[in-house]
Amino acid sequence: QVQLQESGPGLVKPSQTLSLTCSVSGGSMSSGAFYWSWIRQQPRKGLEWIGYIYDSGNTHYNPSLKSRVVMSVDASKNEFSLKVKSVTAADTGRYYCARGQFWFANWGQGTLVTVSS
Amino acid sequence: EIVMTQSPATLSVSPGERATLSCRASQSVTTNVAWYQHKPGLAPRVLIHGASTRASGIPARFSGSGSGTEFTLTITSLLSEDSAVYYCQQYNNWPPWTFGQGTKVEVK
Repeated sequence: QVQLQESGPGLVKPSQTLSLTCSVSGGSMSSGAFYWSWIRQQPRKGLEWIGYIYDSGNTHYNPSLKSRVVMSVDASKNEFSLKVKSVTAADTGRYYCARGQFWFANWGQGTLVTVSS
Repeated sequence: EIVMTQSPATLSVSPGERATLSCRASQSVTTNVAWYQHKPGLAPRVLIHGASTRASGIPARFSGSGSGTEFTLTITSLLSEDSAVYYCQQYNNWPPWTFGQGTKVEVK
């Protein structure tokens, strides 16, 4: 059973870059053609799909975040990453990594990120 | 962007009863809808994909139906462990994939 775990700073200053990593265990990222996604939940709001990255490195992002988001994958380390540039308080929330392109079969528990000075 | 609207916001039911959760799409998403269960502090869990296909390991108490713009998640014989927030998600029209706001189910 694939398991995912997010990690990264819990506090980021406004205008800086939010950087998170998702570690994948229970299977090799190199063993199959999978899509890896990031999803977030802002306070008192629903879930928001941020984007996904394919094993090859191809990416697709939510248009609302596309100008500020970069995803990358390092299959040799069994992990993939998310960077959100020029953050504001609106980027505060719980960030989840997940496996899947269309629907999401496996999720991490999420990591809380607060944007504040 | 497709808007997914879930109702009710909160549902309180007794153990052993049936819960019916609704999800409406702002335009047709055919049957490209998934349902998730989310308990506090835990990873969300996929219950249903393709509107009606149970994910691996999901009990038969959970069933999904619908197509087009109207979808339903039904949970029969409710257990206390079914208390959670349930989300629907469309993956027909992108970008982006979109989720509903969630329905909180309280079993008491």
